[in-house]
Amino acid sequence: DAGITQSPRYKITETGRQVTLMCHQTWSHSYMFWYRQDLGHGLRLIYYSAAADITDKGEVPDGYVVSRSKTENFPLTLESATRSQTSVYFCASSPGRHTEAFFGQGTRLTVV
Amino acid sequence: GIQVEQSPPDLILQEGANSTLRCNFSDSVNNLQWFHQNPWGQLINLFYIPSGTKQNGRLSATTVATERYSLLYISSSQTTDSGVYFCAVGEYGGATNKLIFGTGTLLAVQP
Repeated sequence: DAGITQSPRYKITETGRQVTLMCHQTWSHSYMFWYRQDLGHGLRLIYYSAAADITDKGEVPDGYVVSRSKTENFPLTLESATRSQTSVYFCASSPGRHTEAFFGQGTRLTVV
Repeated sequence: GIQVEQSPPDLILQEGANSTLRCNFSDSVNNLQWFHQNPWGQLINLFYIPSGTKQNGRLSATTVATERYSLLYISSSQTTDSGVYFCAVGEYGGATNKLIFGTGTLLAVQP
């Protein structure tokens, strides 16, 4: 299907485990983003990418790693999951600077 | 950094009523979007409106960039309009192209 898709939709993991959240878009958008949504904090940027092989930190990057070897994929890895990383994670993409962003369905991650 | 404030924080309407949601931002922006987060958690794009006025069915939006605010109008509300409405802005001259979100307006439309 066209658009931006995230997988898995729901994930429960244990503290200390490595977890990878996937994001795939079919529009060939240059920019991709990862946000997390938490009560009391709204949506906050974790990492973003302006193009393949170009990534940079956002507001809350600690404990996360990203890569972007292909334009269409932007996986987010939690190297050693902590309970504070329990959240809803959203991936987004936009075609260029200062253009409309589109969001995936979100991944609800619970770290126990 | 830029601050984004939304009002009211929550709103209860009877079906068929009209409402106006407001978004104030503290600095110049080059991007402004309105989203609806439905009860299933999906973020639905409503408007991309860094300036001017747009309409889409029962919804319309106006951004007055020089006065640093945007308004979202919902007319003849329906129960399916329930959810959280977010305003998000891109900081003028910002390097990251990121969106900064307001805290949202929680809307409940009762039948």
